[in-house]
Formats: sequence, C-alpha cells, structure tokens
Amino acid sequence: DAGVIQSPRHEVTEMGQEVTLRCKPISGHNSLFWYRQTMMRGLELLIYFNNNVPIDDSGMPEDRFSAKMPNASFSTLKIQPSEPRDSAVYFCASSLGFGVTSNQPQHFGDGTRLSIL
Amino acid sequence: DAKTTQPNSMESNEEEPVHLPCNHSTISGTDYIHWYRQLPSQGPEYVIHGLTSNVNNRMASLAIAEDRKSSTLILHRATLRDAAVYYCISRSTLTFGKGTMLLVSP
Repeated sequence: DAGVIQSPRHEVTEMGQEVTLRCKPISGHNSLFWYRQTMMRGLELLIYFNNNVPIDDSGMPEDRFSAKMPNASFSTLKIQPSEPRDSAVYFCASSLGFGVTSNQPQHFGDGTRLSIL
Repeated sequence: DAKTTQPNSMESNEEEPVHLPCNHSTISGTDYIHWYRQLPSQGPEYVIHGLTSNVNNRMASLAIAEDRKSSTLILHRATLRDAAVYYCISRSTLTFGKGTMLLVSP
C-alpha cells in the first residue's frame, strides 16, 4: 500500500520566494495534518483537516502560511513570502477518524526539508 | 490541555529490555495515549496506543498506570535499529514535543 506521499523531498530557495509543499494522504483517510520540525521547537502541529475542512489552524505561525485541501487526495502548504526562519522539515500525516475519542494512529510522510537562503 | 512529559534521553545495551516512561497527569478519561518513534531522516512511525489496559503488539508493549497519569513503553529486547526518538502523545492534543532519544549500544 502506498503511504503518505510528500513532494518535493528537498527544497532550497531564496528569501522572499513563494514555496509550495504538497501532500497526498493515504486513500480512505479522512484526516490530514501538517507539522513542522526544528531542533529548537521539536515537532509542532501547524494545521489539520477533517473531511477536507480545516478544523484548527492555531499552530500556523503567521499569515505568510496558508494550507488548502481541495479534495480528499491532495493538500498544499504554502509560504509566501518565505523567510530564513521558515527553514525546517515539514511533515504531512493522515489518519482515519478524528476527535478526542479517536484511537486511530497517524501515518506520516517522509517530509520535505526546506531551506530558505 | 493534556501535556506529556518524557526524559530527554535514555541509554540501553543491545538485547536488554528498555522501559521508556511518560507522564500525562492531566489526560482526560477518554483520551488515548499514543507512542511514535522517529528514526534519523524519517517521519514519525506509529508504535502502539492504549486507553486503560496494557497493550502488546509486534513492536512493543504499553503499560498504563491504573490512574492513567503515566505510561511506559517497553521494548523487550533492544536492537541497534531501535535507536530513535520516542514520542508519547495524547491523541486529542497531538502535541509531540521533543520526545526521548534512545541510544542503544552494542
């Protein structure tokens, strides 16, 4: 079975440029999560969707970040304009179900390593 | 919010059992405890989860305290491939933090 697929695996770009990260969740999963990982802050939840609808975006650092899920099989995380402090590894994950009583595990992609020069 | 607390790092020898602790004293009664691990240059990988009863699977065992304020992930025989960062999270908050880095020596 195909897992969560993220692209690109690596992205190097200059400050001020627009960056778009892509994610294809596991087929049939109805929840999708975007995380950011840095040495300083660890793994942080940015935003999550349930049935393609954003549920909580309180982890999004600022207005330069935006995320969309136009359909059940695709999501994007966009940074515009990008800054050096956005450099991190960004992970996408998907799962079945959602909510406090959910017991479904998350399945993570391999991540996108983003470097902003 | 249900916050979890883990030691920054632990060490073990190969083929010895490892007990990784996690405190989650504010977790609600219906919130599941999940464990993940992250190998270098990879995304987190699901290990095991539980609610009240102890759980076993092919990767590990999970022992949950009767009052649910803490849990322990048990690797019965550590191998070099088990060296990773282990995260304990409450399913409702999805707050991973920095986890426990497990070092395994041959």
